[in-house]
Amino acid sequence: DADVTQTPRNRITKTGKRIMLECSQTKGHDRMYWYRQDPGLGLRLIYYSFDVKDINKGEISDGYSVSRQAQAKFSLSLESAIPNQTALYFCATSDTGVHTGELFFGEGSRLTVL
Amino acid sequence: GQNIDQPTEMTATEGAIVQINCTYQTSGFNGLFWYQQHAGEAPTFLSYNVLDGLEEKGRFSSFLSRSKGYSYLLLKELQMKDSASYLCAVTDSNYQLIWGAGTKLIIKP
Repeated sequence: DADVTQTPRNRITKTGKRIMLECSQTKGHDRMYWYRQDPGLGLRLIYYSFDVKDINKGEISDGYSVSRQAQAKFSLSLESAIPNQTALYFCATSDTGVHTGELFFGEGSRLTVL
Repeated sequence: GQNIDQPTEMTATEGAIVQINCTYQTSGFNGLFWYQQHAGEAPTFLSYNVLDGLEEKGRFSSFLSRSKGYSYLLLKELQMKDSASYLCAVTDSNYQLIWGAGTKLIIKP
């Protein structure tokens, strides 16, 4: 089984719908992240959490919200989806040591907003 | 602003050697990472450099020059399975990861 699991893997929805992407991990890491990836662009950070009571906005948080339900769970919500939120979304985790840039990614959730 | 530049696409021949360059301008520096990402899959960690010099790991090596804001990933004895995108990322003074757009490497027989 994957150490970082995302659900759903694929989702097609309509403009204005609420969408939740879920992430769970078995790596025991405190730090969790949500990224989106678009063709020709680097990974862009949406939100990150360094522990259960810590939530931080990334560079593109507008239109998104998150919830850290437990150390192992970090969900991303789109309250009212719009077409330019069509992208590949990745959840990732990292340890708290010096190698904080060594991320462990989930398999991705491909979201299409019509 | 913070910026990481790498070529969009490169082509190489199976069995050959290829060097993928990455230049960066960031607010501080706390390490440089290379990731591999096959199409439709998650990125996976390849290497980490924080000091100047070459880090070798099997067929892959990564080089860093902090004074030049420059790194490269060297892939030897290329195999078809090396066809992927290679992402360069730098941690800045706040330990935030800044990502390049990635280099798509195409391997031809």
